[in-house]
Amino acid sequence: GDSVTQMEGPVTLSEEACLTINCTYTATGYPSLFWYVQYPGEGLQLLLKATKADDKGSNKGFEATYRKETTSFHLEKGSVQVSDSAVYFCALQSGATNKLIFGTGTLLAVQP
Amino acid sequence: GAGVSQSPRYKVAKRGQDVALRCDPISGHVSLFWYQQALGQGPEFLTYFQNEAQLDKSGLPSDRFFAERPEGSVSTLKIQRTQQEDSAVYLCASTPLPGGHNTGELFFGEGSRLTVL
Repeated sequence: GDSVTQMEGPVTLSEEACLTINCTYTATGYPSLFWYVQYPGEGLQLLLKATKADDKGSNKGFEATYRKETTSFHLEKGSVQVSDSAVYFCALQSGATNKLIFGTGTLLAVQP
Repeated sequence: GAGVSQSPRYKVAKRGQDVALRCDPISGHVSLFWYQQALGQGPEFLTYFQNEAQLDKSGLPSDRFFAERPEGSVSTLKIQRTQQEDSAVYLCASTPLPGGHNTGELFFGEGSRLTVL
């Protein structure tokens, strides 16, 4: 079945460091890919998305490119801030019901 | 409010008790999902409704779990004879799109945290 694998955390970075969180997927067909973020004490919210191969999603300085050849959707940011500290989930959406399939999440802690 | 609303936010149950968790989706949203998120894990799909029809319940872990959406809006997730392994955050999400349109985001509520003692 469809699945998502993302790098385990926690990831601890200093402010202004570069961030990469790896995500790979297995799916039949052509899924849409998402990064969701969960800030402390808050619900899941969409960070960015890409719906077809070679699309780049971007938001709040974060980027991810849908790579069909490597079945990957790695999350990147050039300069992280303390306010980026959160849990990040990679997810795919496919099939007849729109359901999302999530990875296990990666905790990012950014220190001043 | 304009978002997905879930209640109760926190529920403590003794093992063997029945619990009911409520979800008020965004008005007009056709699709509604329930997810279970164990501590330190990603959300796991439980069930999906399109309006009042439960089209996918493949993620429900046992027959103790039951969900309904009788009028196509509010949904209730019921867990009978709760067990300790049912302790988790139960998330509800909605989207205006029907099934088959994989380009839309899901709008999540803040979840109901269930602790079974």
